[in-house]
Amino acid sequence: GNSVTQMEGPVTLSEEAFLTINCTYTATGYPSLFWYVQYPGEGLQLLLKATKADDKGSNKGFEATYRKETTSFHLEKGSVQVSDSAVYFCALRDQGAQKLVFGQGTRLTINP
Amino acid sequence: DAGVIQSPRHEVTEMGQEVTLRCKPISGHNSLFWYRQTMMRGLELLIYFNNNVPIDDSGMPEDRFSAKMPNASFSTLKIQPSEPRDSAVYFCASSYRDSREQYFGPGTRLTVT
Repeated sequence: GNSVTQMEGPVTLSEEAFLTINCTYTATGYPSLFWYVQYPGEGLQLLLKATKADDKGSNKGFEATYRKETTSFHLEKGSVQVSDSAVYFCALRDQGAQKLVFGQGTRLTINP
Repeated sequence: DAGVIQSPRHEVTEMGQEVTLRCKPISGHNSLFWYRQTMMRGLELLIYFNNNVPIDDSGMPEDRFSAKMPNASFSTLKIQPSEPRDSAVYFCASSYRDSREQYFGPGTRLTVT
């Protein structure tokens, strides 16, 4: 079945550091890929998405490129801020389906 | 737009009691999803509805769990009887059926003692 694997956390960085959170997936079809962010005490919010191979999703300085050849969708940001501290979830949605399959989440802490 | 509304935000109950969680989706959305989040199992889809009809309940853990959607603006998730292992954060999300984006509520943190 479909699955998503994220790099294990927690991840702790200093402000202005470069961020990469790895995400790889297994899917039978041509899924859409997502990154969601969960701030403390809140629900998940969509951060960015990509719907086909080589698409790049971007938002709030974060980027991720849909790489079909490596089945990956790594999240990157060039310079993180304290306000980026949150839990990040990679997810996929199979073509024609409604269900989202989530990775286990990666907790990110940014220190000033 | 008020977003997805869930109540209560926190619930503490004793083992064996009935628990009812409530969700109001975003107006106009015709799909509704219930998720459970735990440290051990992460985020799991329990059940989802399209146009108030349950489509896939394969994630519902056992018969103690039931979900209803009597109309387009309200859904409930009931646990009866509750057990300590049901302690988790329960999220409701809604979307347009053909949309790829789901909008999540703030969650209900359930503690069963």
